[in-house]
Amino acid sequence: QVQFVQSGAEVKKPGDSVKVSCKASGHTFRNEGIHWVRQAPGQKLEWMGWIVPTNGDIQYAQKFQGRVTFTRDKSPAIIAYMEMNNLKSEDTATYYCATSKGITLSAPPGSDHWGQGTLVTVSS
Amino acid sequence: QSALTQPPSASGSPGQSVTISCTGTSSDIGGSNYVSWYQQHPGKAPKLMIYEVTKRPSGVPDRFSGSKSGNTASLTVSGLQAEDEADYYCSSYADNNMRVFGSGTKVTVL
Repeated sequence: QVQFVQSGAEVKKPGDSVKVSCKASGHTFRNEGIHWVRQAPGQKLEWMGWIVPTNGDIQYAQKFQGRVTFTRDKSPAIIAYMEMNNLKSEDTATYYCATSKGITLSAPPGSDHWGQGTLVTVSS
Repeated sequence: QSALTQPPSASGSPGQSVTISCTGTSSDIGGSNYVSWYQQHPGKAPKLMIYEVTKRPSGVPDRFSGSKSGNTASLTVSGLQAEDEADYYCSSYADNNMRVFGSGTKVTVL
């Protein structure tokens, strides 16, 4: 049973940083990436980038380059992290980690695994 | 990378069909066979319904079908059912190994 379990909700002030974790279990990663996707309240999905847990390859969407950092631990379990600094009110959103064939091209055919989402609220 | 363009809403009565369009450019949809569609119910994570333009993951009903022509992809839901009422997002591989999502379409079952 593949599961991605994310860390709990966060409340931050403008200018703060936040680090969201995503622990993977029941899945053997080969070269597929864990993607990060965010969704502001009532808004569309927004792709942020990915990290490949096995070799550490990373790609960021242009919008988040320089303000977001992806990292990962490999042992004893794979945990992916998304850290965002200099938070603004418009960063208030639910942040998802996912390995889904729709966005993870090297994932197994039809696979679709998402974390439960982490709500990050930025408010003064 | 700009979001792919989808109509804000679409609707149909039970049993009818609804088709949602997703328009991009030659840098994403037009240049890629990696177009996918996600269904999202309120408060839930997205669910993959179509990948690689036309393929359905195991467990997705064959009422859902995908296609592509030029820079526009489409999702058709045939035989609409109440549980199909949800938000739908397209997604595409884009230049430089990027990904881009659509603006989203709210499907209402009348």
